Amino acid sequence: ETGVTQSPTHLIKTRGQQVTLRCSSQSGHNTVSWYQQALGQGPQFIFQYYREEENGRGNFPPRFSGLQFPNYSSELNVNALELDDSALYLCASSFAGVNQPQHFGDGTRLSIL
Amino acid sequence: AQSVTQPDIHITVSEGASLELRCNYSYGATPYLFWYVQSPGQGLQLLLKYFSGDTLVQGIKGFEAEFKRSQSSFNLRKPSVHWSDAAEYFCAVGAKQAGTALIFGKGTTLSVSS
Repeated sequence: ETGVTQSPTHLIKTRGQQVTLRCSSQSGHNTVSWYQQALGQGPQFIFQYYREEENGRGNFPPRFSGLQFPNYSSELNVNALELDDSALYLCASSFAGVNQPQHFGDGTRLSIL
Repeated sequence: AQSVTQPDIHITVSEGASLELRCNYSYGATPYLFWYVQSPGQGLQLLLKYFSGDTLVQGIKGFEAEFKRSQSSFNLRKPSVHWSDAAEYFCAVGAKQAGTALIFGKGTTLSVSS
């Protein structure tokens, strides 16, 4: 089975720009979650999508937005980039349900100059 | 609010020695608990999970963890560490209130000395 894939691997942007990160779910999974991992920290939950709708959101501002497509792939969009947005962004897919393990991609490293 | 605490930021263990990584959680209901491992530049790999039943759970790569409700702990153990186990280890609790988010601890870095 194909695992979770994310693109691009690395990205460099400047303050104020916008960025789109992409994620392809593991085959069969219908739920996608996004996490931000700052250097030296644990991942922090951004939001989750199930059946193309946002299903939960962490403590992130509205300039962080997302989409889930009918094939369960997903995008994370960040507007008005700030220096503190520099981080590893991780996508995880799973079946629906809190007891379903989430399977992570290798992430996109975003650097803001 | 749910939270996870990993008290040890960095641990060094000799190759072949036993390992225990600590994890304490705060959660109002029955927790869903996970341990993940992250190698440098990589995503997170699931080591094991606890949902219910037997409080000692077995995972991949020879790891096990014990759920102790009275201590709100879910410590990870391995009887004999290999050099390839050097990585960052994260404990997480499944939080139903925000979709099905995972709440992670800050992680423990494991170094293995020869």
